[in-house]
Amino acid sequence: ETGVTQSPTHLIKTRGQQVTLRCSSQSGHNTVSWYQQALGQGPQFIFQYYREEENGRGNFPPRFSGLQFPNYSSELNVNALELDDSALYLCASSFLGELQGYTFGSGTRLTVV
Amino acid sequence: GQQLNQSPQSMFIQEGEDVSMNCTSSSIFNTWLWYKQEPGEGPVLLIALYKAGELTSNGRLTAQFGITRKDSFLNISASIPSDVGIYFCAGQSQSGNTPLVFGKGTRLSVIA
Repeated sequence: ETGVTQSPTHLIKTRGQQVTLRCSSQSGHNTVSWYQQALGQGPQFIFQYYREEENGRGNFPPRFSGLQFPNYSSELNVNALELDDSALYLCASSFLGELQGYTFGSGTRLTVV
Repeated sequence: GQQLNQSPQSMFIQEGEDVSMNCTSSSIFNTWLWYKQEPGEGPVLLIALYKAGELTSNGRLTAQFGITRKDSFLNISASIPSDVGIYFCAGQSQSGNTPLVFGKGTRLSVIA
């Protein structure tokens, strides 16, 4: 059983650019959630996808968007990058409603310069 | 965004000592979780609590779900060097699919 895989592991972008982060969910999981973890902070919920539709959203602007594909993998897109978007982006997969199976990937470290 | 109040922010302890950390919230949670995060990794679930008053152990770790449903604590007994990391509490306000709300973490350092 493979775990949650995120790519890339590190990324440097310039302010104003766009970025796409990818996540492959754990086998058997149908829900993907994305979290932003700024330095020295706990993870903050961005949004969740279930059956290829957004199924809940945190306090993030519309320039944060996502997709979920039929194989349950997911993408996080961020447009018009700002310096404050620099953070570790974590993806977590689960089976809808099952908290014990909430598995995090190792994250993508995004630096905006 | 909302975060839980987690304390202490950091701890330096001698190997073999016991550790205690706690988490409080102004609102009620139905589920409390404790995670550990090591450098370059995502959070890993240590203990999940589902009922007020519940006390659950996982090896040397023990966690409790507060009676008021607004707090939780985690104890680590007889610490060892591999306990080093950042410990996060997380709460879920409703059952099922609502997102997790995390604390800011407790950074634990163990001196051999």
